[in-house]
Amino acid sequence: AQSVTQLDSQVPVFEEAPVELRCNYSSSVSVYLFWYVQYPNQGLQLLLKYLSGSTLVKGINGFEAEFNKSQTSFHLRKPSVHISDTAEYFCAVIPPNTGNQFYFGTGTSLTVIP
Amino acid sequence: EAGVAQSPRYKIIEKRQSVAFWCNPISGHATLYWYQQILGQGPKLLIQFQNNGVVDDSQLPKDRFSAERLKGVDSTLKIQPAKLEDSAVYLCASSLGGGREQYFGPGTRLTVT
Repeated sequence: AQSVTQLDSQVPVFEEAPVELRCNYSSSVSVYLFWYVQYPNQGLQLLLKYLSGSTLVKGINGFEAEFNKSQTSFHLRKPSVHISDTAEYFCAVIPPNTGNQFYFGTGTSLTVIP
Repeated sequence: EAGVAQSPRYKIIEKRQSVAFWCNPISGHATLYWYQQILGQGPKLLIQFQNNGVVDDSQLPKDRFSAERLKGVDSTLKIQPAKLEDSAVYLCASSLGGGREQYFGPGTRLTVT
């Protein structure tokens, strides 16, 4: 069965500092990869996705992620965070031949400290 | 473009009662999903519809949960009877023809006491 591991459940970081949120997945075959953000009391919003092509993917709000097939990782990064980035971040994968079914990680709570 | 709408936003019920959630997807989106998000966990797919047909309901606890999508637009998810462990946020999402980008609604937070 497919699994997604987000290694850090909580990440505190000071405002304007860089941040990396880690995501690893268990699959030996190609998958589609996503990062979603969830602000308090709201639904999930797509930050970025990797379907194919360049391994460096740029998303909204200054976020980017790099697909590393050999390490089965898809870490999310931002060079300088803002207070408004405080939210829950979910990594998700779609394995092949699953009818586009998402498998989500357990989430990382990012807290930006002023 | 209007997003995915869900109601109610919050619901508190006692165990063994029944409850229903409603979802209106983005106009023209053929695929609709219901997810359960327990506190501290990622969303878990309960059921996926393509138009008004069920594509996947393998993780739906069918002894107490049911869902329908009449006319291939709105959908309702029902729990009867509810258990304490059903306390969660229920998210509805839709996508264009089963595409790989899903759009999520704000969710319904259910508390079972």
